[in-house]
Amino acid sequence: KNQVEQSPQSLIILEGKNCTLQCNYTVSPFSNLRWYKQDTGRGPVSLTIMTFSENTKSNGRYTATLDADTKQSSLHITASQLSDSASYICVVSQFTGTASKLTFGTGTRLQVTL
Amino acid sequence: DGGITQSPKYLFRKEGQNVTLSCEQNLNHDAMYWYRQDPGQGLRLIYYSQIVNDFQKGDIAEGYSVSREKKESFPLTVTSAQKNPTAFYLCASSMTSPLNYGYTFGSGTRLTVV
Repeated sequence: KNQVEQSPQSLIILEGKNCTLQCNYTVSPFSNLRWYKQDTGRGPVSLTIMTFSENTKSNGRYTATLDADTKQSSLHITASQLSDSASYICVVSQFTGTASKLTFGTGTRLQVTL
Repeated sequence: DGGITQSPKYLFRKEGQNVTLSCEQNLNHDAMYWYRQDPGQGLRLIYYSQIVNDFQKGDIAEGYSVSREKKESFPLTVTSAQKNPTAFYLCASSMTSPLNYGYTFGSGTRLTVV
């Protein structure tokens, strides 16, 4: 069964600190992996997209890594800000030949405090 | 600015009523999708459409219906057959090219049964 598991479920950190969110998946065949940020009551917004051959991709203070052999990804947030408080969702895509199918993780809820 | 617009932001439904959620995009995307988001669960696909006048069931299509009469519009009707409709509904769009990795989400509609 295709699954995407994220950890931790929730996380509280102080402003200015770094944190790392984890994503493990069993989706096959693999097409790409995406990290989204979702503010409360809003739609998800894409942070990074990585294909099989990419190990690392950055978007400002966000850096995603991918190990396709172990089927693991991480999202590292540097120098956190209050505005980073949101849910972070890992999404793995399969391409079936006619369409892409996405499997969503349940997300990590991050709270950045003063 | 190009984007995807969902309306209304909040919707209340009485038992036994059908309600329709609107989704409009001006991104010239071929494919459109409807997802349902519940607390503690990943997004689940309700319906998707890759071309005008054609749509496919997703993983949880029962109790829902859609139409795709125009490329820009993909409304979702939550029927009285949907026994647990209270959820956050997200519409998304993308190009259908397998080289495209971009999904754009709307800001969501929160539906509550009263």
